[in-house]
Amino acid sequence: GAGVSQSPSNKVTEKGKDVELRCDPISGHTALYWYRQSLGQGLEFLIYFQGNSAPDKSGLPSDRFSAERTGGSVSTLTIQRTQQEDSAVYLCASSFSGIYGYTFGSGTRLTVV
Amino acid sequence: QKEVEQDPGPLSVPEGAIVSLNCTYSNSAFQYFMWYRQYSRKGPELLMYTYSSGNKEDGRFTAQVDKSSKYISLFIRDSQPSDSATYLCAMSARAGANSKLTFGKGITLSVRP
Repeated sequence: GAGVSQSPSNKVTEKGKDVELRCDPISGHTALYWYRQSLGQGLEFLIYFQGNSAPDKSGLPSDRFSAERTGGSVSTLTIQRTQQEDSAVYLCASSFSGIYGYTFGSGTRLTVV
Repeated sequence: QKEVEQDPGPLSVPEGAIVSLNCTYSNSAFQYFMWYRQYSRKGPELLMYTYSSGNKEDGRFTAQVDKSSKYISLFIRDSQPSDSATYLCAMSARAGANSKLTFGKGITLSVRP
């Protein structure tokens, strides 16, 4: 496809369960970012992948959060033992040309009940 | 204090009004400034970008940066109902693909017909 694809678009899960969120970046984009958008909190950086370099995990809020990017393409964000405060929209973006070339997906709306 | 502060809104204006959206920041290393527009249930899309201080105009939109005051603005002239969206400011110290954006919380604008 032409854009960044995220799945699922909506996810409702019970507290304590694990969830996996998927991001398909634009083909050829070497940089991939995950951000979290909570109500009234703006976008919060989570993790960044660039080519084969070690990811920048400095934004992950706890060790319950992890992410991987396989083959320099698809990325999966995993949240273990979900908590209610994890409820948010998780946005993925990819870029080929730096900060002006970010393209965001429509996000996964996660609700923890 | 957050690195980037944005007026929380929401903001409601009549069609045709001039809209002024503002952000302040505390990190003097920021040199690259962007405005994103986000429609409901969609990812943010880049609207305007500027480097360092100065003005940039694109159609009905003007972005201003005053680095001495650590203050950026987005002006929308002749506002239209289609401008109704959430507007987020974003900034970065670097422009390369390995640069993270720091976002404001966003302000929701409603333009009444």
